[in-house]
Amino acid sequence: GAGVSQSPRYKVAKRGQDVALRCDPISGHVSLFWYQQALGQGPEFLTYFQNEAQLDKSGLPSDRFFAERPEGSVSTLKIQRTQQEDSAVYLCASSLRPGQKVPNEQFFGPGTRLTVL
Amino acid sequence: AQTVTQSQPEMSVQEAETVTLSCTYDTSESDYYLFWYKQPPSRQMILVIRQEAYKQQNATENRFSVNFQKAAKSFSLKISDSQLGDAAMYFCAYTLSYNNNDMRFGAGTRLTVKP
Repeated sequence: GAGVSQSPRYKVAKRGQDVALRCDPISGHVSLFWYQQALGQGPEFLTYFQNEAQLDKSGLPSDRFFAERPEGSVSTLKIQRTQQEDSAVYLCASSLRPGQKVPNEQFFGPGTRLTVL
Repeated sequence: AQTVTQSQPEMSVQEAETVTLSCTYDTSESDYYLFWYKQPPSRQMILVIRQEAYKQQNATENRFSVNFQKAAKSFSLKISDSQLGDAAMYFCAYTLSYNNNDMRFGAGTRLTVKP
């Protein structure tokens, strides 16, 4: 596609429900990132994939958060037993490859706004 | 840990005028990368400009330029000839790794452009 797409754009969940957020990166992009953006804040790093390998998941806030990218393209961020503090915009970004000397530009999707009631 | 501070939650500029957005960061490293991202209401973050810390020359991209003061750990964004389409949230970001997996963002500055 022309850019990074995410679905759904909006998700309302009841506390305790499981949710799955999808990211379709730009075709051919090797690196994929998930960020959490709370209201009025900048994005915070959650996890990073290079192809299908999850190389860094240090930003995931708890073991209720799980991300996968099984075929090295589409990625899913799953949140189990959602809590109110999980309410945020979840951004996905992709880039062509790990930078050789400088970081490559990350292309962001429009995000999924998750509201947990 | 690296932190990025944007001290101006909101800024306003008249169309065609110039505005400067401030950003400071904290790091003990000498090689790193700095970015300004724009986030319009559609939420899609767009890279505006980037600066490599080892380069002394300030980056410029058309109407956008930075004032990079390495000793002061300051990285401000100047927007010249402001246009209505410049209205958005602007985030300053820092990364140490060329993998981008340690990128840190500031809290953002909301820019309003008045016609």
